[in-house]
Amino acid sequence: DSGVTQTPKHLITATGQRVTLRCSPRSGDLSVYWYQQSLDQGLQFLIQYYNGEERAKGNILERFSAQQFPDLHSELNLSSLELGDSALYFCASSVEDRPGTQYFGPGTRLTVL
Amino acid sequence: EDQVTQSPEALRLQEGESSSLNCSYTVSGLRGLFWYRQDPGKGPEFLFTLYSAGEEKEKERLKATLTKKESFLHITAPKPEDSATYLCAVQPPSGTYKYIFGTGTRLKVLA
Repeated sequence: DSGVTQTPKHLITATGQRVTLRCSPRSGDLSVYWYQQSLDQGLQFLIQYYNGEERAKGNILERFSAQQFPDLHSELNLSSLELGDSALYFCASSVEDRPGTQYFGPGTRLTVL
Repeated sequence: EDQVTQSPEALRLQEGESSSLNCSYTVSGLRGLFWYRQDPGKGPEFLFTLYSAGEEKEKERLKATLTKKESFLHITAPKPEDSATYLCAVQPPSGTYKYIFGTGTRLKVLA
């Protein structure tokens, strides 16, 4: 158990809908990272927050957004969902905003029908 | 462009048959190289962090090494429970702290 929690574990929804994925980092970790893992593309970095502030953006679509709250939990919002958004979404956390080991949560499996 | 390439894509070993997985990267000024193990449908589980060429880390049957261009994950006398996908990730010297992941090596150890 990495100490990173993610909810829900599974999510099934329809095209055009909006969903929110939630992540709680390990105790003491200030950085949260979101990744998308699909079968054909591997793990892709989406976005990073550090202590409530956005620090880095990767291949995140404009339909997706995220935030980190004062208690350090983070939410990833996915809107106008398309079939191609079906994937595993992972959250990771690390202790500081600098290179270092990231610990991953168990993921949320999103299925868009 | 920063790239991470893992080989082989898949590997089948008999129990006790040692082998090595390769992770090569084109990132210059590497900040760190990370190995993870991932079981199907689960989050990557941290194994090792390597920061400089020549560094080695060991954990049970696994040993990770790093050169200026690649890293190896050596598996000695593997057991069926070592079956998983092994992922390599690097942190480039850009202004962000994201990981760039390879696509992984799917390892199957047969009893």
